[in-house]
Parts: sequence; C-alpha cells; structure tokens
Amino acid sequence: GENVEQHPSTLSVQEGDSAVIKCTYSDSASNYFPWYKQELGKRPQLIIDIRSNVGEKKDQRIAVTLNKTAKHFSLHITETQPEDSAVYFCAASMRGGFKTIFGAGTRLFVKA
Amino acid sequence: NAGVMQNPRHLVRRRGQEARLRCSPMKGHSHVYWYRQLPEEGLKFMVYLQKENIIDESGMPKERFSAEFPKEGPSILRIQQVVRGDSAAYFCASSPPHGEETQYFGPGTRLLVL
Repeated sequence: GENVEQHPSTLSVQEGDSAVIKCTYSDSASNYFPWYKQELGKRPQLIIDIRSNVGEKKDQRIAVTLNKTAKHFSLHITETQPEDSAVYFCAASMRGGFKTIFGAGTRLFVKA
Repeated sequence: NAGVMQNPRHLVRRRGQEARLRCSPMKGHSHVYWYRQLPEEGLKFMVYLQKENIIDESGMPKERFSAEFPKEGPSILRIQQVVRGDSAAYFCASSPPHGEETQYFGPGTRLLVL
C-alpha cells in the first residue's frame, strides 16, 4: 500500500523567512497530493493541492511542487508570519475516492 | 452550506463502555472517511464508506470497532468495550461523488477513556 514520508518533523524559522516541507510517496499510482494545516485543537484545513498532471502550483505565499519521477512533493511558504505556526500534513491518494494516506506532520514554528 | 458536522465534540467513557461517534457529511457529499489522531501524531486512516457500503476498512482494528453510513442519517463510528488506548481525536472527512478527491474535515470528537 501507499506510504508517505514527511520531513522535517519540526521546523523553526524567523518571521519573514521561507519554510520548506518535503514529502515522498511510494505508490506510483497516486495522483492527488493535498496539503493540510492543523492549528492546535482544530480540524485539518486544506491549504493547497496538486494533481499529477501539474508540476507546480502557487497560491499567494504558498506553493507546491511535484516530481512524479522521483515521487516527491514539497510545500513552500514564503514570507512566513506567526499565524503560519501550525502542524502541516502532506497526503497522497488516487483519483476515485480511494483512501488518502497522510504524512506524520511537520510542526512549524514562526518566531516573531 | 454547512460543513462537516461531528458530535459529540467531547466524549468521556469508562473502560468497557461503548462509544458512538457521529458524522454528518457536507451537503451533496456521499463519501465519508474516518481518521484517528493520537496526541502529537498524524492522521491514521481507519475506514472509507459510501452510502450503505464499506469501501475500504483496512485501517480499522479487527475487533471492537465498526462503522456504518446508512441510507438516511449520519455515519457512525462505534467502539465497543473501550480501553484507555482508544483515547484520541477521531476526525471524519467527506468528499463529493464522481471521484472528486478533496476531503473536508469535521471538527473531530475527542474521546477520553478513564
């Protein structure tokens, strides 16, 4: 089955710096890769996603890149702000409603 | 359009009791997923259901856990004879029909087993 590895587990950056979180997946049939942000005690919220027919997607300060050959994808947050502090999860799934497998999460701290 | 609803938000049970967790998907969504999250850990897939069908239950423990999504009403995750290790946050997510992958999460139910 699918396995998703996520690194680093903890990331601390200064406000204004960039943050990069990386994930790898094992099942080459996976073709949908969402990223979720979870604040303490809250539900996971979708922040961006990418499908396998696209190599990069950007939404304001957030971008995601996908390398299907290497089976890895990354989240990039630029100009980080204290409110970006949260746990971020990457995930991989196949089209058609198959189960989604999540990475273990990255705890991001943005220091003011 | 109301989001995914879960109740109760908090549930306290003593060892050996039953826990029933309910999830109402977003309007128009016919796929429901249940996840378990232990403190400081990630989301572990448990089960994927469509109306009246269990599609994938490969993440469900073999005993004591069951799930259903009836034709009418919410999806139910049932844990029988709870043990302290069942204490966790249980999140439900839903997605639209027609193979759309994006899942939207409910607020979760935090189960505490004393």
